[in-house]
Amino acid sequence: DAGVTQSPTHLIKTRGQQVTLRCSPKSGHDTVSWYQQALGQGPQFIFQYYEEEERQRGNFPDRFSGHQFPNYSSELNVNALLLGDSALYLCASSLRGEDIQYFGAGTRLSVL
Amino acid sequence: QQQVKQSPQSLIVQKGGISIINCAYENTAFDYFPWYQQFPGKGPALLIAIRPDVSEKKEGRFTISFNKSAKQFSLHIMDSQPGDSATYFCAARPLNTDKLIFGTGTRLQVFP
Repeated sequence: DAGVTQSPTHLIKTRGQQVTLRCSPKSGHDTVSWYQQALGQGPQFIFQYYEEEERQRGNFPDRFSGHQFPNYSSELNVNALLLGDSALYLCASSLRGEDIQYFGAGTRLSVL
Repeated sequence: QQQVKQSPQSLIVQKGGISIINCAYENTAFDYFPWYQQFPGKGPALLIAIRPDVSEKKEGRFTISFNKSAKQFSLHIMDSQPGDSATYFCAARPLNTDKLIFGTGTRLQVFP
């Protein structure tokens, strides 16, 4: 049983560019949450998708957007990249109504 | 703003000793308190979790103590092992949401 998978593992972009990160949830899960983890910090909640809609959002600008597909996989898009967007981006999946969130290994984004 | 404060930032323990990590929260409207363990290059993995109607929960060598009146909860790792060396994050889930608010993390090093 595959866990949460994220791609790519590493990514290098320059300021102003756009990036798309991908996540496949754990088998049987229908809810995907995205977190940003800056170096030496705890993860910060970006947003959550369920039934292909954004359900909750953290304190992130609208440069951060997402999508969930009918197979429950999800994408995180970041436009107009800033140096401060450099971080580990984590995807977590869960089953609606249950407590546990399972995290993927993340995508390390470096913005130069 | 909802916050979770975690201490210490780093912890060095000898093999066989007890590791204690503390967290405090500033908003009473949380209903779930998980602890996550993160190894370098990996995503956070759920270690143990507690709800506020329980004062203590034990799973193997790991125990959560929860003090609702003091708004504090702690993780105790008994008989600490070198394999426990990792970064530990406490988190709290606001009522009626699925997002997790993380502490800043504690880097634990267990020496043989």
